[in-house]
Amino acid sequence: QKEVEQNSGPLSVPEGAIASLNCTYSDRGSQSFFWYRQYSGKSPELIMSIYSNGDKEDGRFTAQLNKASQYVSLLIRDSQPSDSATYLCAVPSNKLIFGTGTLLAVQP
Amino acid sequence: NAGVMQNPRHLVRRRGQEARLRCSPMKGHSHVYWYRQLPEEGLKFMVYLQKENIIDESGMPKERFSAEFPKEGPSILRIQQVVRGDSAAYFCASSQGAARSGANVLTFGAGSRLTVL
Repeated sequence: QKEVEQNSGPLSVPEGAIASLNCTYSDRGSQSFFWYRQYSGKSPELIMSIYSNGDKEDGRFTAQLNKASQYVSLLIRDSQPSDSATYLCAVPSNKLIFGTGTLLAVQP
Repeated sequence: NAGVMQNPRHLVRRRGQEARLRCSPMKGHSHVYWYRQLPEEGLKFMVYLQKENIIDESGMPKERFSAEFPKEGPSILRIQQVVRGDSAAYFCASSQGAARSGANVLTFGAGSRLTVL
């Protein structure tokens, strides 16, 4: 089992819709989780971090964590074409372990 | 406050040559991580260094690849006798403390794109 798993997509949503990105992880001891966004040809940039069970909201982004299910998700409300990118879920050990990323395509 | 600086941004080498990629971490950061990203693939961890020490090199190929982070100067990822399969984007990231604490966020450089002819 991979340490961090994501559907590779592409996930296609219409402009204005909610995009839901999902991630599962294998280490039950993990305490913190990160979502990075990577535009094509660019480097990853941190958009959300979450440490506690439940929801964390930041603007149009909401991260959701369920440690019992070993599941973390990212919701993007009012999706915009500029949100089209690959979204990477990451879990720290002594380094940051990334999932393979989900490609999101927001259709105008 | 400059971010993580990587150079060169683009590097072209012929098979058998050496590639040297440099990374200067953010000011105040002493932890450096190297990742490789093949076209259309995810970020693969290569090596984690702290000043003058290799902490974790579990992702480094056993041959031809080496990394260092000297007391003075940037971290260097060195690839000897490059092959076409080494063509990839190599990203460096840095953090203030160890990633395992969770509170120490990794900040990425713009990457170095290696093309092997």
